[in-house]
Amino acid sequence: ETGVTQSPTHLIKTRGQQVTLRCSSQSGHNTVSWYQQALGQGPQFIFQYYREEENGRGNFPPRFSGLQFPNYSSELNVNALELDDSALYLCASSLNQGAAGYTFGSGTRLTVV
Amino acid sequence: LAKTTQPISMDSYEGQEVNITCSHNNIATNDYITWYQQFPSQGPRFIIQGYKTKVTNEVASLFIPADRKSSTLSLPRVSLSDTAVYYCLVGDMEGKLIFGQGTELSVKP
Repeated sequence: ETGVTQSPTHLIKTRGQQVTLRCSSQSGHNTVSWYQQALGQGPQFIFQYYREEENGRGNFPPRFSGLQFPNYSSELNVNALELDDSALYLCASSLNQGAAGYTFGSGTRLTVV
Repeated sequence: LAKTTQPISMDSYEGQEVNITCSHNNIATNDYITWYQQFPSQGPRFIIQGYKTKVTNEVASLFIPADRKSSTLSLPRVSLSDTAVYYCLVGDMEGKLIFGQGTELSVKP
């Protein structure tokens, strides 16, 4: 079975730009979550999608938005990038929503300059 | 969601048993305790989950006392490759994972 794949692996953007990060969930998984991990910190929950509907959101502003597609892959969009958005962005998929079942990708390292 | 407290860092030597304790005084009746491992530049990886008493799998053991206000992750005979950050999470089965700062375990030769 394939795991969770994220693209791109690294990205450099300028403050004020917009970025789209992509995630292919593990085969058969219908739930996708996105996390932001700043250097030296634990991952912070951004939002979760279950069967194409957002069903949970963390403490992030509206300029962080997402989509889940019929094949359960997902996108994270961030508008008006700020320097503090520099972080590792992690995608995790699961079959339904049990905490034990999350499979994480290796993340996208975003640097905002 | 219950807050967790765990040591920021721990050191160990190869072959030793490592025990990492996590405090979660406000754990709710529906909450499970889950541990994840994370290597640099990788996503977290599920290690073990439990609700009460003891759980063991091929990687680790999880000890949970009767009051469930703490838990201990036990890694038997660690090797250099066990050097990683270990996160204790407490929550119900409804979705988002709440990570703390984790425990940075360093295993030395």
